[in-house]
Amino acid sequence: QVVVSQEPSLTVSPGGAVTLTCGFNTGAVTSGHYPFWFQQRPGQAPTTLIYDTSKRHSWTPARFSGSLLGGKAALTLSGAQPEDEAEYYCSLSYSGAYVFGTGTKVTVL
Amino acid sequence: EVQVVDSGGGLVQPGGSLRLSCAASGFTFSDAWMSWVRQAPGKGLEWVGRITTTTESETTGYAGPVKGRFTISRDDSKNMVYLQMNSLRIEDTAIYYCVTDRSTTATIKLSYWGQGTLVTVSS
Repeated sequence: QVVVSQEPSLTVSPGGAVTLTCGFNTGAVTSGHYPFWFQQRPGQAPTTLIYDTSKRHSWTPARFSGSLLGGKAALTLSGAQPEDEAEYYCSLSYSGAYVFGTGTKVTVL
Repeated sequence: EVQVVDSGGGLVQPGGSLRLSCAASGFTFSDAWMSWVRQAPGKGLEWVGRITTTTESETTGYAGPVKGRFTISRDDSKNMVYLQMNSLRIEDTAIYYCVTDRSTTATIKLSYWGQGTLVTVSS
């Protein structure tokens, strides 16, 4: 069974930086897995922040960036704002399906 | 402006059926694949399945837990996609989201989400 793992929770100070990761239990994540990153606030639908590893949508704040890091997909938040407190999910393409990560709860404190 | 509006959720008994609908606009619908994603209460996101374009034979793909019970279809004349759910189980209880998937004419892959519609399976 394919599992995509993320840190359960991370805390960042206002104005600080934090990196979330997204890893496969089957091996390294590559650009061919087309990593996506989503933000979900309580009671709301997800919002797509990053697609195809590192591309930002027009609505994505510049403080969010995506990359590959040590065999995993990574989302870096630089200059955290109170409104960035949310759940973050990644997804990877695998064998014609999308597999979502377990989610990371980010607290800005 | 791209808009995705999903609807049709409700309360259904185990073993019952329900059809969800999704209306999309603001892009060339016939060029786009569409996916469904669900989220059980207090849990993470789970991909349910997708449908390709009519040109690609409306090929469908499903996640293991719903294969053989759920069917996705589309009507390009109405810019609509549907999720027919049969033999529903308690573990299918979730918010179901319709989401744009890959397209040859727009950058919309997994980028525009419906507001979600709640399906509750309970006796």
